[in-house]
Amino acid sequence: AQSVTQLGSHVSVSEGALVLLRCNYSSSVPPYLFWYVQYPNQGLQLLLKYTTGATLVKGINGFEAEFKKSETSFHLTKPSAHMSDAAEYFCAVSALPNDMRFGAGTRLTVKP
Amino acid sequence: NAGVTQTPKFRVLKTGQSMTLLCAQDMNHEYMYWYRQDPGMGLRLIHYSVGEGTTAKGEVPDGYNVSRLKKQNFLLGLESAAPSQTSVYFCASRGFSGSSYEQYFGPGTRLTVT
Repeated sequence: AQSVTQLGSHVSVSEGALVLLRCNYSSSVPPYLFWYVQYPNQGLQLLLKYTTGATLVKGINGFEAEFKKSETSFHLTKPSAHMSDAAEYFCAVSALPNDMRFGAGTRLTVKP
Repeated sequence: NAGVTQTPKFRVLKTGQSMTLLCAQDMNHEYMYWYRQDPGMGLRLIHYSVGEGTTAKGEVPDGYNVSRLKKQNFLLGLESAAPSQTSVYFCASRGFSGSSYEQYFGPGTRLTVT
C-alpha cells in the first residue's frame, strides 16, 4: 500500500520569503512522486515530478523538490514567494500505473 | 487542444435523483480516471478505465457507475444521489508512458446533493 502525508494544512509566508511545503510518502516499491497545484475553482496542474535519475527536480514557476529516499520525503521549495503562488498544493505518490494517492493538500497563503 | 473537459461545471441534485457527469479528452489517452475531492482528504479515486470498453473500481466506488464506450469519453453516473456524494469531481487522463504516470486533470464539477 502507498500513502502520502502532507505536514501542515495551511502555510503562510510573506512575499519574497522561502516557501517550504512538506511531503512524506510510504510505498513498498520505488514510487513516482508528483506535486500538483490547484488554483481556486480550477483543476490540478502538474508542478513537477520525480520518476528516476536526479533527485533534485525542477518544475514550473521556480519550484523544485528533492527526493530523499532515506527520509521518504519529497518536500517542495521555492526561494522567493510571489503573490501568484497562493493556491493549494498536493503531493502524490504512484507506485502502480493506476493507483495514484494524494495527500490532503496544503493551502499556501502569501502575505504582501 | 482542449485537453480534458468536464460537463456540467455545477449541479444541484435532490436526494434520490440520478445524473451523469461527462468527461472528454482530445489527447488520445488510453487511461481515464474519476476522482472526488473533499476538504481535508485530497483526491480519492472512484473508478478508472484502461481502455475503451473497460472499467475498474478505485478506492471509493460505492454509489457510482462508469462507462467508457468511446476512447475519448468517460462517464460517471450516480443512480440515486445521497448527501454524502456532495463533492467536487475531477476527471483525469494519461497516455501510455514508460517513464511516468503523470495525469492531466479537467476543471472539475461541483455537485451538491440536498
